[in-house]
Amino acid sequence: SNVLTQPPSVSVAPGRTAIITCGGNIIGSKYVHWYQQKPGQAPVLVVYDDSDRPSGIPERFSGSHSGNTATLTISRVEAGHEADYYCQVWDSYNNHYVFGTGTKVTVL
Amino acid sequence: VQLVESGGGLVKPGGSLRLSCAASGFIFSSYNMNWVRQAPGKGLEWVSSISSSSTYIYYADSMKGRCTISRDNAKNSLYLQLNNLRVEDTAVYYCARGSSSAEWFDPWGQGTLVTVSS
Repeated sequence: SNVLTQPPSVSVAPGRTAIITCGGNIIGSKYVHWYQQKPGQAPVLVVYDDSDRPSGIPERFSGSHSGNTATLTISRVEAGHEADYYCQVWDSYNNHYVFGTGTKVTVL
Repeated sequence: VQLVESGGGLVKPGGSLRLSCAASGFIFSSYNMNWVRQAPGKGLEWVSSISSSSTYIYYADSMKGRCTISRDNAKNSLYLQLNNLRVEDTAVYYCARGSSSAEWFDPWGQGTLVTVSS
């Protein structure tokens, strides 16, 4: 089965930039989507189609995609950005959705 | 837009449970719908998806043969019948609306907890 690999954790100082990667063979030909999940809450879509933001999501969240790696960047990190972040793709060949392993962002 | 799950609870291994998701604030019959679960302390795992008119239904390999997704567009409701439950099925089950492209999920409900234990 397809696997999307993310770093288990990313630590960043307030005001700096957090970079979260998502890698996997399936990514190359697919759109990648990103979710934020704060403790005890449901996931929230923060980036879709590699780099688009839903309404209400601030510009400090941005996404990119190159080859088999996608990246979520959070600029000017604040304490409120502490959360788990998941990437996700639609595997149209197998008609399955695949989530990444998840990354816990800690603000120092 | 609101999604509210219900039906979770404690069930013994081998037991069954039917989860529901009540949708409001959008034209339910126009959207694909999905179930995603999260075991305690673990990541997100897609479970099943159903197209707007129930024409297309997909299941994760881990749940195939043990769960059935369905919907009632007249009642704006999504369902997930879980059978032959195992301890490892213990998780919060979320329903989520699919995008128009069927690529991503937004929004999500608050989830309902299913605990499988003897």
